[in-house]
Amino acid sequence: EVQLVESGGGLVQPGGSLRLSCAASGFTFSSSWMTWVRQAPGKGLEWVANIKQDGSEEYYVDSVKGRFTISRDNAKNSLHLQMNSLRAEDTAVYYCARHPGQSFDCWGQGTLVTVSS
Amino acid sequence: QSALTQPPSASGSPGQSVTISCTGISTDVGGYSHVSWYQQYPGKAPKLIIYDANKWPSGVPDRFSGSKSGSTASLTVSGLQAEDEADYYCSSYAGNNQWLFGGGTKVTVL
Repeated sequence: EVQLVESGGGLVQPGGSLRLSCAASGFTFSSSWMTWVRQAPGKGLEWVANIKQDGSEEYYVDSVKGRFTISRDNAKNSLHLQMNSLRAEDTAVYYCARHPGQSFDCWGQGTLVTVSS
Repeated sequence: QSALTQPPSASGSPGQSVTISCTGISTDVGGYSHVSWYQQYPGKAPKLIIYDANKWPSGVPDRFSGSKSGSTASLTVSGLQAEDEADYYCSSYAGNNQWLFGGGTKVTVL
């Protein structure tokens, strides 16, 4: 069974940093593009970033470029999102998802990031 | 890039059909067949129900169907059931390694 489990969320002050992790199991992680999608409280979904199977390519939505970094460790079947210079508008539930083709076919349960003083 | 446009709400009685639209532009929905649809219950993760505009992932009932014409994609839920009451989101590839979601549609089963 495919399983994705996020961790690392929490309360952080504006300007602070946080590192999210996603532990993957039940599929060949090293063969899959992976992505982060976020959802602000009561709002819709927003694609944030994705990364190629070998980590050689990564892409970001404009609003997080230069502040967030996606990475992966295929030896540990884990995906990460380093978030720096956090803003109130980054407050959201962050989901990791497997990204075959142009859709997102398996999702984790999400981890809540709250940016507030 | 702006989010794709979905109606905020839709409703139907059990057994009826409801159709949700997802409108984009020529550089996203209109330019690619890579539209997908997701079902989300409150407090839960989204679930893929349609990909590449009209294909079903394994295990998704064929009561859910997708289509696309020009820059508008649609999701139809036939034979509405109480369990179909949820939020539905469309997504499209938008070129340049970017993806967009719609604002979501809340489906109510009357």
